[in-house]
Amino acid sequence: DGGITQSPKYLFRKEGQNVTLSCEQNLNHDAMYWYRQDPGQGLRLIYYSQIVNDFQKGDIAEGYSVSREKKESFPLTVTSAQKNPTAFYLCASSSPPRGLLNQPQHFGDGTRLSIL
Amino acid sequence: SQQGEEDPQALSIQEGENATMNCSYKTSINNLQWYRQNSGRGLVHLILIRSNEREKHSGRLRVTLDTSKKSSSLLITASRAADTASYFCAPETSGSRLTFGEGTQLTVNP
Repeated sequence: DGGITQSPKYLFRKEGQNVTLSCEQNLNHDAMYWYRQDPGQGLRLIYYSQIVNDFQKGDIAEGYSVSREKKESFPLTVTSAQKNPTAFYLCASSSPPRGLLNQPQHFGDGTRLSIL
Repeated sequence: SQQGEEDPQALSIQEGENATMNCSYKTSINNLQWYRQNSGRGLVHLILIRSNEREKHSGRLRVTLDTSKKSSSLLITASRAADTASYFCAPETSGSRLTFGEGTQLTVNP
């Protein structure tokens, strides 16, 4: 079955530690996205990538970093510079027409990150 | 990019009743999408309506779009307990990313 896999489901971070969230898709989608969701709130875009080896900052990129070395993978690193990392992180992908980002997005089931 | 605003924030109904959720936005759009999120899960795409469409159906879902009022509505007919979830609208303008509002939390009581 095609889909998006996020791992781990739960993650704990110690002070000063960087942690990496995994996102893998086998949908052959070009575009991938990372969102942050706080309790009772909507999604805020952290980073997105339209093609391999290219990515753009979203609305809340500070304290986060990404890479896109392979089409199917878009890992997110939450660095120690992100002072309030506790949230639910969602990865998504889509297959947009050239130059557009307006196709339905497919989501993984998220990673819940907490501070120890 | 622009954000949709869903209304109401929360809605509680009995099984079998219809549920209507509304979405407003500020500028012209290419299309508008609706998503559902079950607690602790990712979002699931429900329906996409283009700016030149006024109404679209998918099973028990009916979406309307009024571009003159910059608003959309999602109607779920004959609701079931399994419809309990948060519902988000995401308006899309040319060349911009999707943005999501805070959603409507729907509770369907058995």
